[in-house]
Amino acid sequence: DSGVTQTPKHLITATGQRVTLRCSPRSGDLSVYWYQQSLDQGLQFLIQYYNGEERAKGNILERFSAQQFPDLHSELNLSSLELGDSALYFCASSVSGDNEQFFGPGTRLTVL
Amino acid sequence: GQQVMQIPQYQHVQEGEDFTTYCNSSTTLSNIQWYKQRPGGHPVFLIQLVKSGEVKKQKRLTFQFGEAKKNSSLHITATQTTDVGTYFCAGPGTYKYIFGTGTRLKVLA
Repeated sequence: DSGVTQTPKHLITATGQRVTLRCSPRSGDLSVYWYQQSLDQGLQFLIQYYNGEERAKGNILERFSAQQFPDLHSELNLSSLELGDSALYFCASSVSGDNEQFFGPGTRLTVL
Repeated sequence: GQQVMQIPQYQHVQEGEDFTTYCNSSTTLSNIQWYKQRPGGHPVFLIQLVKSGEVKKQKRLTFQFGEAKKNSSLHITATQTTDVGTYFCAGPGTYKYIFGTGTRLKVLA
Protein backbone atom coordinates (compact mmCIF):
# COMPACT_ATOMS: atom_id res chain seq x y z
CA ASP A 1 0.00 0.00 0.00
CA SER A 2 1.62 3.24 -1.20
CA GLY A 3 -0.58 5.51 0.91
CA VAL A 4 -2.04 7.15 -2.19
CA THR A 5 -5.74 6.55 -2.71
CA GLN A 6 -7.72 6.89 -5.89
CA THR A 7 -11.45 6.69 -6.45
CA PRO A 8 -13.24 5.18 -8.15
CA LYS A 9 -11.36 2.01 -9.06
CA HIS A 10 -13.41 1.44 -12.16
CA LEU A 11 -15.55 3.76 -14.24
CA ILE A 12 -17.65 2.84 -17.23
CA THR A 13 -19.31 5.63 -19.14
CA ALA A 14 -20.44 6.65 -22.59
CA THR A 15 -18.93 8.88 -25.21
CA GLY A 16 -19.63 12.55 -24.71
CA GLN A 17 -19.92 12.23 -20.95
CA ARG A 18 -17.89 13.89 -18.22
CA VAL A 19 -16.21 12.16 -15.28
CA THR A 20 -14.15 13.17 -12.26
CA LEU A 21 -11.31 11.11 -10.87
CA ARG A 22 -10.15 11.74 -7.34
CA CYS A 23 -6.77 11.31 -5.69
CA SER A 24 -5.61 11.68 -2.10
CA PRO A 25 -1.83 11.91 -1.76
CA ARG A 26 0.29 10.40 0.98
CA SER A 27 0.29 12.34 4.20
CA GLY A 28 2.94 15.06 3.96
CA ASP A 29 3.32 14.94 0.19
CA LEU A 30 2.80 18.30 -1.48
CA SER A 31 3.15 17.26 -5.09
CA VAL A 32 0.54 15.37 -7.09
CA TYR A 33 0.98 14.00 -10.60
CA TRP A 34 -1.53 12.55 -13.05
CA TYR A 35 -0.60 9.97 -15.67
CA GLN A 36 -2.50 8.16 -18.39
CA GLN A 37 -1.60 4.61 -19.34
CA SER A 38 -3.35 3.11 -22.34
CA LEU A 39 -3.39 -0.64 -22.86
CA ASP A 40 0.15 -2.02 -22.87
CA GLN A 41 1.57 1.47 -23.20
CA GLY A 42 3.92 3.59 -21.18
CA LEU A 43 3.07 6.31 -18.72
CA GLN A 44 2.01 9.57 -20.31
CA PHE A 45 2.47 12.51 -17.97
CA LEU A 46 -0.58 14.75 -17.89
CA ILE A 47 -0.11 17.37 -15.20
CA GLN A 48 1.58 18.12 -11.89
CA TYR A 49 0.47 20.21 -8.94
CA TYR A 50 2.57 21.38 -6.06
CA ASN A 51 0.91 22.71 -2.92
CA GLY A 52 -2.18 23.78 -4.82
CA GLU A 53 -0.45 25.36 -7.79
CA GLU A 54 -0.04 23.91 -11.25
CA ARG A 55 3.64 23.16 -11.71
CA ALA A 56 3.96 21.42 -15.05
CA LYS A 57 1.78 20.39 -17.92
CA GLY A 58 2.38 17.47 -20.19
CA ASN A 59 0.30 16.02 -22.97
CA ILE A 60 -3.02 16.91 -21.42
CA LEU A 61 -5.93 17.46 -23.78
CA GLU A 62 -7.99 20.63 -23.57
CA ARG A 63 -10.99 18.45 -22.68
CA PHE A 64 -9.14 17.46 -19.52
CA SER A 65 -8.57 19.65 -16.50
CA ALA A 66 -7.33 19.17 -12.99
CA GLN A 67 -6.92 20.96 -9.71
CA GLN A 68 -5.40 20.48 -6.30
CA PHE A 69 -7.42 21.60 -3.33
CA PRO A 70 -6.24 23.22 -0.06
CA ASP A 71 -6.31 19.83 1.67
CA LEU A 72 -3.95 18.65 -1.14
CA HIS A 73 -6.30 16.12 -2.68
CA SER A 74 -6.60 16.41 -6.43
CA GLU A 75 -9.26 15.84 -9.05
CA LEU A 76 -8.89 15.13 -12.74
CA ASN A 77 -11.88 16.08 -14.85
CA LEU A 78 -12.36 14.47 -18.23
CA SER A 79 -15.10 15.84 -20.47
CA SER A 80 -16.57 15.12 -23.91
CA LEU A 81 -15.19 11.63 -23.54
CA GLU A 82 -14.09 9.68 -26.59
CA LEU A 83 -13.43 5.99 -27.04
CA GLY A 84 -9.70 6.71 -27.11
CA ASP A 85 -9.83 8.10 -23.59
CA SER A 86 -10.27 4.59 -22.25
CA ALA A 87 -7.19 3.95 -20.14
CA LEU A 88 -5.77 3.57 -16.68
CA TYR A 89 -5.34 6.89 -14.94
CA PHE A 90 -2.73 6.97 -12.21
CA CYS A 91 -2.18 9.56 -9.59
CA ALA A 92 1.19 9.78 -7.85
CA SER A 93 2.47 11.94 -5.05
CA SER A 94 5.87 12.99 -3.77
CA VAL A 95 7.24 15.22 -1.07
CA SER A 96 8.45 17.72 -3.63
CA GLY A 97 9.14 17.64 -7.34
CA ASP A 98 12.38 15.69 -7.25
CA ASN A 99 11.69 12.80 -4.95
CA GLU A 100 10.44 9.32 -5.57
CA GLN A 101 6.84 9.16 -6.62
CA PHE A 102 4.30 6.97 -4.88
CA PHE A 103 1.59 5.75 -7.19
CA GLY A 104 -2.00 5.05 -6.36
CA PRO A 105 -3.79 1.91 -7.58
CA GLY A 106 -5.26 3.75 -10.55
CA THR A 107 -8.72 4.32 -11.98
CA ARG A 108 -9.64 2.23 -14.98
CA LEU A 109 -11.84 4.26 -17.29
CA THR A 110 -13.82 2.55 -20.00
CA VAL A 111 -15.65 4.70 -22.52
CA LEU A 112 -18.30 2.85 -24.53
CA GLY B 1 11.59 17.89 -26.35
CA GLN B 2 13.41 15.63 -23.95
CA GLN B 3 13.00 11.93 -24.64
CA VAL B 4 13.84 8.91 -22.55
CA MET B 5 14.03 5.68 -24.52
CA GLN B 6 14.40 2.17 -23.21
CA ILE B 7 15.57 -0.98 -24.91
CA PRO B 8 14.55 -3.63 -25.37
CA GLN B 9 10.81 -3.08 -25.46
CA TYR B 10 10.17 -6.72 -24.58
CA GLN B 11 12.35 -9.47 -23.19
CA HIS B 12 11.54 -13.11 -22.55
CA VAL B 13 14.04 -15.02 -20.46
CA GLN B 14 14.23 -18.47 -18.98
CA GLU B 15 14.13 -18.49 -15.20
CA GLY B 16 17.69 -18.28 -13.93
CA GLU B 17 18.98 -16.25 -16.87
CA ASP B 18 20.19 -12.70 -16.49
CA PHE B 19 18.33 -9.66 -17.82
CA THR B 20 19.39 -6.12 -18.64
CA THR B 21 17.38 -3.09 -19.69
CA TYR B 22 18.93 0.12 -20.94
CA CYS B 23 17.67 3.66 -20.58
CA ASN B 24 18.89 6.50 -22.80
CA SER B 25 18.07 10.16 -22.47
CA SER B 26 18.38 12.82 -25.15
CA THR B 27 19.68 15.23 -22.52
CA THR B 28 21.89 15.08 -19.44
CA LEU B 29 19.98 14.06 -16.34
CA SER B 30 20.52 15.35 -12.81
CA ASN B 31 19.25 12.02 -11.52
CA ILE B 32 17.36 8.96 -12.68
CA GLN B 33 14.76 6.79 -11.04
CA TRP B 34 13.67 3.24 -11.74
CA TYR B 35 10.19 1.85 -11.22
CA LYS B 36 8.65 -1.60 -11.57
CA GLN B 37 5.07 -2.25 -12.56
CA ARG B 38 3.72 -5.75 -12.05
CA PRO B 39 0.98 -6.93 -14.43
CA GLY B 40 -2.27 -5.34 -13.31
CA GLY B 41 -0.48 -3.21 -10.75
CA HIS B 42 0.84 0.28 -10.35
CA PRO B 43 4.43 1.51 -10.71
CA VAL B 44 6.54 1.05 -7.60
CA PHE B 45 9.70 3.03 -6.96
CA LEU B 46 12.88 0.94 -6.92
CA ILE B 47 15.80 3.34 -6.69
CA GLN B 48 17.20 6.76 -7.51
CA LEU B 49 20.71 7.37 -8.85
CA VAL B 50 22.29 10.79 -8.61
CA LYS B 51 26.03 10.64 -9.16
CA SER B 52 27.87 10.15 -12.43
CA GLY B 53 29.04 6.54 -12.70
CA GLU B 54 27.04 5.52 -9.64
CA VAL B 55 26.33 1.83 -9.12
CA LYS B 56 23.78 0.58 -6.60
CA LYS B 57 22.70 -2.95 -5.77
CA GLN B 58 19.51 -4.32 -4.34
CA LYS B 59 19.90 -8.07 -3.88
CA ARG B 60 19.89 -9.44 -7.44
CA LEU B 61 19.30 -6.02 -9.04
CA THR B 62 22.20 -3.79 -10.09
CA PHE B 63 21.59 -0.23 -11.22
CA GLN B 64 24.13 1.94 -13.05
CA PHE B 65 24.16 5.61 -13.97
CA GLY B 66 26.38 6.47 -16.91
CA GLU B 67 29.43 8.68 -16.65
CA ALA B 68 27.84 11.27 -18.91
CA LYS B 69 24.57 11.05 -16.94
CA LYS B 70 22.61 10.41 -20.11
CA ASN B 71 22.08 6.70 -19.73
CA SER B 72 21.36 4.09 -17.13
CA SER B 73 20.92 0.36 -16.88
CA LEU B 74 19.19 -2.18 -14.69
CA HIS B 75 20.63 -5.68 -14.53
CA ILE B 76 18.88 -8.59 -12.86
CA THR B 77 20.96 -11.64 -12.04
CA ALA B 78 19.35 -15.07 -12.14
CA THR B 79 15.82 -13.94 -12.85
CA GLN B 80 12.91 -15.38 -10.93
CA THR B 81 9.24 -15.52 -11.83
CA THR B 82 8.65 -12.73 -9.31
CA ASP B 83 10.69 -10.41 -11.53
CA VAL B 84 7.93 -10.37 -14.14
CA GLY B 85 6.69 -6.90 -14.96
CA THR B 86 7.52 -3.71 -16.78
CA TYR B 87 10.56 -1.72 -15.73
CA PHE B 88 10.52 2.02 -16.29
CA CYS B 89 13.27 4.54 -15.92
CA ALA B 90 12.33 8.15 -15.24
CA GLY B 91 14.37 11.27 -15.68
CA PRO B 92 13.75 14.88 -14.68
CA GLY B 93 12.42 17.24 -17.28
CA THR B 94 11.26 20.74 -16.55
CA TYR B 95 9.49 20.44 -13.19
CA LYS B 96 8.48 16.86 -13.89
CA TYR B 97 9.81 13.42 -14.44
CA ILE B 98 9.65 11.89 -17.89
CA PHE B 99 9.08 8.18 -17.89
CA GLY B 100 10.86 5.96 -20.35
CA THR B 101 9.05 3.70 -22.74
CA GLY B 102 9.49 0.70 -20.45
CA THR B 103 10.83 -2.82 -20.86
CA ARG B 104 8.40 -5.65 -20.33
CA LEU B 105 10.04 -8.70 -18.83
CA LYS B 106 8.56 -12.17 -19.01
CA VAL B 107 10.22 -15.00 -17.14
CA LEU B 108 9.56 -18.52 -18.31
CA ALA B 109 9.64 -21.15 -15.55
